[in-house]
Amino acid sequence: DTAVSQTPKYLVTQMGNDKSIKCEQNLGHDTMYWYKQDSKKFLKIMFSYNNKELIINETVPNRFSPKSPDKAHLNLHINSLELGDSAVYFCASSQGTGLRYGYTFGSGTRLTVV
Amino acid sequence: GENVEQHPSTLSVQEGDSAVIKCTYSDSASNYFPWYKQELGKRPQLIIDIRSNVGEKKDQRIAVTLNKTAKHFSLHITETQPEDSAVYFCAAGGSGGYQKVTFGTGTKLQVIP
Repeated sequence: DTAVSQTPKYLVTQMGNDKSIKCEQNLGHDTMYWYKQDSKKFLKIMFSYNNKELIINETVPNRFSPKSPDKAHLNLHINSLELGDSAVYFCASSQGTGLRYGYTFGSGTRLTVV
Repeated sequence: GENVEQHPSTLSVQEGDSAVIKCTYSDSASNYFPWYKQELGKRPQLIIDIRSNVGEKKDQRIAVTLNKTAKHFSLHITETQPEDSAVYFCAAGGSGGYQKVTFGTGTKLQVIP
């Protein structure tokens, strides 16, 4: 049983397109995150939701919009894709702030913008 | 905000030798320090963590040490095996309103058989 699942696993799209990545967790966690991992493997937080409420919103272009319909789901919509958006996007979840048991990451979505 | 620096960026060791990865952090209020392992093409996974009220923690071949005064912490892997080859990330967190963790830049460990 996959704890944190993301779809799609791979996404190749042209510049200017709009795309969405979906994430679901079945761990009963109340906090979910989106992380971006660039080509140098640097993991940078983008957003965090706690019980459907946005609690972390890092310096991310407005073209990125997260949506959390319930605490088990956190989706990421990206408008007007740019070449620099190419990266692996990881969804993660934690119980509370993640400072007790850490984060559980999804398997990642490799986004390639051409 | 928190800034975490990690060294070295790459590390090659012979199988059976020890590996040490070091991290420094900037926010003295940080009190939680996890380490994640990411194998090639896989997701990061928590392997060990330490809190500020503890100076050292060990789990089989893996140990972490924390020096709060100097604001640095380290991961030690003894008797390395080829399956230890991966990218390792340190992180620091626990301060501030949202208590998020900030990741280091990663260390690519290669264990040579």
